[in-house]
Amino acid sequence: AQTVTQSQPEMSVQEAETVTLSCTYDTSESDYYLFWYKQPPSRQMILVIRQEAYKQQNATENRFSVNFQKAAKSFSLKISDSQLGDAAMYFCAYRSARETSGSRLTFGEGTQLTVNP
Amino acid sequence: DSGVTQTPKHLITATGQRVTLRCSPRSGDLSVYWYQQSLDQGLQFLIQYYNGEERAKGNILERFSAQQFPDLHSELNLSSLELGDSALYFCASSVEANSYNEQFFGPGTRLTVL
Repeated sequence: AQTVTQSQPEMSVQEAETVTLSCTYDTSESDYYLFWYKQPPSRQMILVIRQEAYKQQNATENRFSVNFQKAAKSFSLKISDSQLGDAAMYFCAYRSARETSGSRLTFGEGTQLTVNP
Repeated sequence: DSGVTQTPKHLITATGQRVTLRCSPRSGDLSVYWYQQSLDQGLQFLIQYYNGEERAKGNILERFSAQQFPDLHSELNLSSLELGDSALYFCASSVEANSYNEQFFGPGTRLTVL
C-alpha cells in the first residue's frame, strides 16, 4: 500500500516571502500522479497543483511550483510571494495510475501554513 | 463553488443511530468518491462509484454502506454509530473513473455523534 508523509505539521511564512512544504511518499509503482490540495478554514478542498510521475518537468501554477524528485520519492510545494489568502492546511496526495486501484487519493497528514502580515 | 453539493451540512445524532449523507456530483461527472476526515485518521478514502457501479473500496467499515443511483447522486449510509464516527465526510466527483481528471470536492457534511 502507498503511504504519504508530511513531516511538517506547521509552517509559517511572512507575507511576500517564499515557503516550501515537504512531502515524501512510498510506492512500488512507476506510474502515478501526485497532488497538492489546500483546505482553508472553510474546509473546502481545493486542488493547487498536480504532477504526473512520467513527466520530468516540474509543474507550475502561477505562484505555486513543485520539486518532484522521483528517485527520492519526494514532492515538495513551493509558494512564492506568499499572500494572506494562502493560509490553510495543505495536503499532499498520491493516486495510482493502475486501473484496478480506481482513482482513490491517498493523503498525507497535512501541513498547517500560517502567513504573517 | 465546486459544483458538488452535499446535504446536510451538519448532522448531530446519538450513538447507535443510523444516518444518510447525500451527494450530488457536478453535472456530467460519472464518478463519485467518499472520504472521511477525522482528527484520529486524517483524510482517508472510503469508497468510489462509477456510473452506478462500485469501483474501488478503501477502509470503509462494515457498518457503512454506499450506493450511486441512476441519476448519479450518491448516498453514504452510516449505521450503529459510535463516537469515533464523528468526522467531516466529503464527497468528490470526477468525469471518469480512471483518469488524470481533477476530483472536485463538495463542502462536506459534519457529523457529530454524541
